[in-house]
Formats: sequence, structure tokens, C-alpha cells
Amino acid sequence: EIVLTQSPDTLSLSPGERATLSCRASQSVSSNYLAWYQQKPGQAPRLVIHGASSRATGIPDRFSGSGLGTDFTLTINRLEPEDFAVYSCHQYASSPWTFGQGTRVEIK
Amino acid sequence: EVRLVESGGGLIQPGGSLRLSCAASGFTFSSYAMTWVRQAPGKGLEWVSTISGGDTTTYADSVDGRFTISRDNSKTMVHLHMNSLRAEDTAVYYCAKAPWFNGDNDYFDFWGQGTLVTVSS
Repeated sequence: EIVLTQSPDTLSLSPGERATLSCRASQSVSSNYLAWYQQKPGQAPRLVIHGASSRATGIPDRFSGSGLGTDFTLTINRLEPEDFAVYSCHQYASSPWTFGQGTRVEIK
Repeated sequence: EVRLVESGGGLIQPGGSLRLSCAASGFTFSSYAMTWVRQAPGKGLEWVSTISGGDTTTYADSVDGRFTISRDNSKTMVHLHMNSLRAEDTAVYYCAKAPWFNGDNDYFDFWGQGTLVTVSS
């Protein structure tokens, strides 16, 4: 099973700043089958990035994903108030499909 | 607009059974794999089970033999039958849609808001 470890657990930033979230896999994620989701309390999770770097439909271009192998990054440029949420990475390269524990992006 | 609405959660005693349902709309339901993902209180997301458009099913080891996923294409619904429930099954259960038919190597492009299952005496 591929274990995903996200860092940091919490990121305290101000609107307008850049957020850099890390997701490290215990073994290589083939074909860059790595996604990121956004979760807000009481709301359905929302797909942000798939294929490590492809933005989902309707996701603003301030969100970008990068990485390959075992190290992946989600970057949010110029944080907007609606971006403060929990972000989880997900590998779908090897069953069982697994998720990271999440990074909370909170307002400083 | 894709919409997924879960129902059926609640408080259940250990060893009991429960059936979760997910009503889907806004897309050609029979053409896509569907998945259940859960999230225990204060924990990360955990994949539970997937059913392909062709009814092929896969399960996490933690629920294999106890949970059964099924789909009703005529009613555009997916179900999760949960037996022999344990305290560690307590979680919010999310229904999610895959972007393809097979359910292999898929991310989840749309999610419901979840239904809470609490297993406790």
C-alpha cells in the first residue's frame, strides 16, 4: 500500500500570500496518478488537480500542481478567502487507492 | 449539473447492518464507475469500495467480506450494504463519481456531501 504523507499539517497564511503544500509517497506513483481535493466543513470534497498537474474543470489558474515519482506539490498563488480549507492528496496508481491525512490552510 | 446525494446513515450498534444509498443525477449514470470513500472523525479520507459501469466491484481489505457495493442503473443509485459493523467503521461516508467506466486508476471528479454512520452501543 502506498502511504501518502502531507506537510505541513497546518499552514497559516494571509489572503494574497502563496500556499505551498507537499505530498510525499512511500513509493513511486506511476503515471503521475496523483490528485488533490479541497474540503470545507459541511461541503462535498471538490477535485482540484488530477494527473499531478491538470486543473479540474472550473478551478482557477492560481491553483497549480507539480511533481513526479514520490514528491508532489500543490501551489495556490494569491490566496483568496474562499481558498482556506483542507487539502488532501490521493494516489490512484496502485490499489488500494490511498489519501494523505490532509493539510489545513487557515487564515493567519 | 452533477449531483450526488447520500442517505441512510445513523446510529447503529456493533454487529448491526446498515444500507447507504446515493442518488445520482446530471450525468449518464450507467457510463461511470462509482465509489464510496469514508472519513473517520479527525482522520483522513479512506477509499472503501468501487463499482464499475460493468458491475465489477473492488473493496478495501478493512471492509472486504462485510460490505457490498451495488448499483441500480434504472434508478441511478448506488448502494453500500454494511454488515457486521464495528466501532472503527464510524465515519462520514461519501459517494463519489469516477471520470471513466472501469473504475481502475481513477480519481473522483464529483462527490456528495456525505452521510454519517456512528457505530456505538
